[in-house]
Amino acid sequence: EAEVAQSPRYKITEKSQAVAFWCDPISGHATLYWYRQILGQGPELLVQFQDESVVDDSQLPKDRFSAERLKGVDSTLKIQPAELGDSAMYLCASSRYGETQYFGPGTRLLVL
Amino acid sequence: GDSVTQMEGPVTLSEEAFLTINCTYTATGYPSLFWYVQYPGEGLQLLLKATKADDKGSNKGFEATYRKETTSFHLEKGSVQVSDSAVYFCALIGSSGSARQLTFGSGTQLTVLP
Repeated sequence: EAEVAQSPRYKITEKSQAVAFWCDPISGHATLYWYRQILGQGPELLVQFQDESVVDDSQLPKDRFSAERLKGVDSTLKIQPAELGDSAMYLCASSRYGETQYFGPGTRLLVL
Repeated sequence: GDSVTQMEGPVTLSEEAFLTINCTYTATGYPSLFWYVQYPGEGLQLLLKATKADDKGSNKGFEATYRKETTSFHLEKGSVQVSDSAVYFCALIGSSGSARQLTFGSGTQLTVLP
């Protein structure tokens, strides 16, 4: 069964450093999502792509976060500089055409 | 806007007990409804879904029925196992708007004791 791949699984960094997360969606899935999940809460959407275009990035803190999906396949989410409050699980999901979303294993970020 | 309200946890049950986790929603039109499960340290896994009124989603002994008259999608399992211990999220995708985004509930932590 095809799965969404994410790396790294865990990342520890110091505040003010740059971090990057990678996601490879299920083959053929045009829609890709990045979520942030704070411990004890549900996921919150950061950015949504349709192919290589951003559909919604209204909740993305654009002063420090950026996301790209250059060829409409895999995607990178970057934080620069990282802050203590960025410690969370970062989840990637994909769907064929905006219906059922399938999630990857996530990247757990700890900012010290 | 769309919203999902879940039964607050944590919920602790003994093995083989009956499970119900309540979920109600607010949305215009006819949303699609989902239950996701998250095991410790992992991402979310789709547990089951229903896309229209009176549909019943089922998987791994879990069931939920889309009740439009009560705007509910309660999760049930007849006999829970220790391995069912996880956080369960109810979610919906609204039928209006082009973005087709998931709206999640706050999650319910389930612990099953042997």
